[in-house]
Amino acid sequence: QSALTQPRSVSGSPGQSVTISCTGSSSDVGGYNYVSWYQQHPGKAPKLMIYDVSKRPSGVPDRFSGSKSGNTASLTISGLQAEDEADYYCCSYAGSPPYVFGTGTKVTVL
Amino acid sequence: EVQLLESGGGLVQPGGSLRLSCAASGFTFSGYAMSWVRQAPGRGLDWVSSISGSGTSTYYADSVKGRFTVSRDNSRNTLYLQLNSLRAEDTALYYCAKDKGGCGSTNCYYGLDVWGQGTTVTVSS
Repeated sequence: QSALTQPRSVSGSPGQSVTISCTGSSSDVGGYNYVSWYQQHPGKAPKLMIYDVSKRPSGVPDRFSGSKSGNTASLTISGLQAEDEADYYCCSYAGSPPYVFGTGTKVTVL
Repeated sequence: EVQLLESGGGLVQPGGSLRLSCAASGFTFSGYAMSWVRQAPGRGLDWVSSISGSGTSTYYADSVKGRFTVSRDNSRNTLYLQLNSLRAEDTALYYCAKDKGGCGSTNCYYGLDVWGQGTTVTVSS
């Protein structure tokens, strides 16, 4: 049950794109197409942004996109906006037990 | 509106017990697996436990196995987490969360689409 590895922080200027990586193993990220991403603003509950690697729930802007290659998943935020500044967590289905979260990444909008 | 409301947190001494509750509304509770996720102060999200929609399948993180017990009462639309033998490292904000479903079963764990606001557990003497 080792946590998935994410960079501690990424940053970008408004309008730029940033990508957050999420590295696991063949037992989690690489073994299933069930990676989800969550956005968490300070003092708030997490919010689902991406599920099933690349699908967006209703209401999530299309500048958020997800992908996966091998044991690494990625979240890209295009056209970065001030309100995107938050912590982001990846999560993967891992069989039994079912969930493993990433270490979290702080996105800073410069 | 789909809502989850946690309660039951508080200050407890090491070795003590607490029972957390999560009241659900706005969806067919028994149709979805549910999970508990915690977040220690200044730390990241940490999956704790999950339970299938019927309650027959349960899962635990190694760090809580044998000490925590997840259960649900589908007639009351309520999820529970019994915390026993609490340790200082269990201090955290505990969230309940609903699985997004859509896999043709109530035992799928492919994403958490609704989260409560959390209840705080502090373990200290």
